[in-house]
This record gives sequence, C-alpha cells and structure tokens, in this order.
Amino acid sequence: QVQLQQWGAGLLKPSETLSLTCAVYGGSFNNYYWSWIRQPPGKGLEWIGEINHSGSTNYNPSLKSRVIISVDTSKNQFSLNLRFVTAADTAVYYCARIKNFAIDYWGQGTLVTVSS
Amino acid sequence: QSVLTQPPSASGTPGQRVTISCSGSSSNIGGNTVNWYQQLPGTAPRLLIYSSNQRPSGVPDRFSGSKSGTSASLAISGLQSEDEADYYCAAWDDSLNGYVFGTGTTVTVL
Repeated sequence: QVQLQQWGAGLLKPSETLSLTCAVYGGSFNNYYWSWIRQPPGKGLEWIGEINHSGSTNYNPSLKSRVIISVDTSKNQFSLNLRFVTAADTAVYYCARIKNFAIDYWGQGTLVTVSS
Repeated sequence: QSVLTQPPSASGTPGQRVTISCSGSSSNIGGNTVNWYQQLPGTAPRLLIYSSNQRPSGVPDRFSGSKSGTSASLAISGLQSEDEADYYCAAWDDSLNGYVFGTGTTVTVL
C-alpha cells in the first residue's frame, strides 16, 4: 500500500520561504511523477508542480518564478520550496503521486498560514 | 485561476441521478483525458474517475464519467447521503504544460 507522509512549518511570516517535504512509502518511486497541490481555505485546488525521479520538473506558470521542487531518490522523498510567501499563499498543501495524468495517492495535507 | 469550468452546486434527493459538467478547451479536455476527484469535508481529495471514464478499484459503479469534445461530465446515479462532497474535474493542459483543475462543484443531498 502506498502512503505519502508530509511535514513542514505551518506558520510563516510574509517574505519567508515555505518548505515542505513528502516521504513515499510502498510502491515504486521511480515510475511516477510526484506533485504538490494546494487549496486555500474555502477555495478550490491549484496544481503547483511536479517532479520525477530523475529531477525533471513542470511548474504552474503562475508560481514558476518562486517555486522549486526537488527530489531525493535515496530517501524516496521530494520537497517543495516556495519563496517570498504572502497571505495569498495561505493554504492546505498536499503532496501527491501522479499516474498516467491522474492523482491516485495524496498526502494528508499541511495547513500553511502566512501572517505577520 | 481555473481553466476548467464547473457549476458551483448541484443537488438531488436520495436515489436520484445528478450530473456535473466540466467545460474546457482544445488544449486540455479536447486533447487529453479527464479525471474526477471527490473531496469530503476536511479530507484530501480522492480519485473517482480516471482516463475520462474509468473507475479505480473501490469506487462504486454509481459513479460514471464521459467526455465529448472539450467537455466532460460526471454522473452520480442512485444518489446517497455519503455523496455530499465537493467534486473537481482535472486534465493536463498542453498550452500551460501543466495540470489544471475545475472550479469545483458542491453536491448536496436534499
């Protein structure tokens, strides 16, 4: 059974960097893309970007200038860094696995609040 | 901003059939498969339909998906109280080179 477990700081000040990590347990790590998705309180889902085991990435054009997604295949982990956060970045952040363009496994979600 | 448009809400009585639409363009739905996700309150989304009309193991056959041109639909037949949730369509967008979600539809069981 595949499980995604994520962690990271939940409270940030404006202009700081959001950092989250997701560990993958079970299943193959190398055969999929691994993604980050966020959901502002009371709003819809927004795709942030994705990475595969070789480090190939795709990013949401609206966030591309501030986002870096990285991978550590030795630990079956991938990470999200989002720079210069503002209140608009307050959201629940999910890590997820993408299989054939479908998101079939999700992490538990992490609420990140940006407030001065 | 979402590039896939869904109605904000849909409702029905138990046992009824409810349909949710998802409208896109040639760069997303028109050229790629559509996936549907169900999100119960306070939980992570769950894959409901993939490749436009396929159900993952464990998803009841009351849920079905279809696609035609640049639009897709999710149908829930035999509506049950546990189907009250938010539903999102999604697809890869070739122009954005990224994954796009629909605006989301809240289903209420009356």
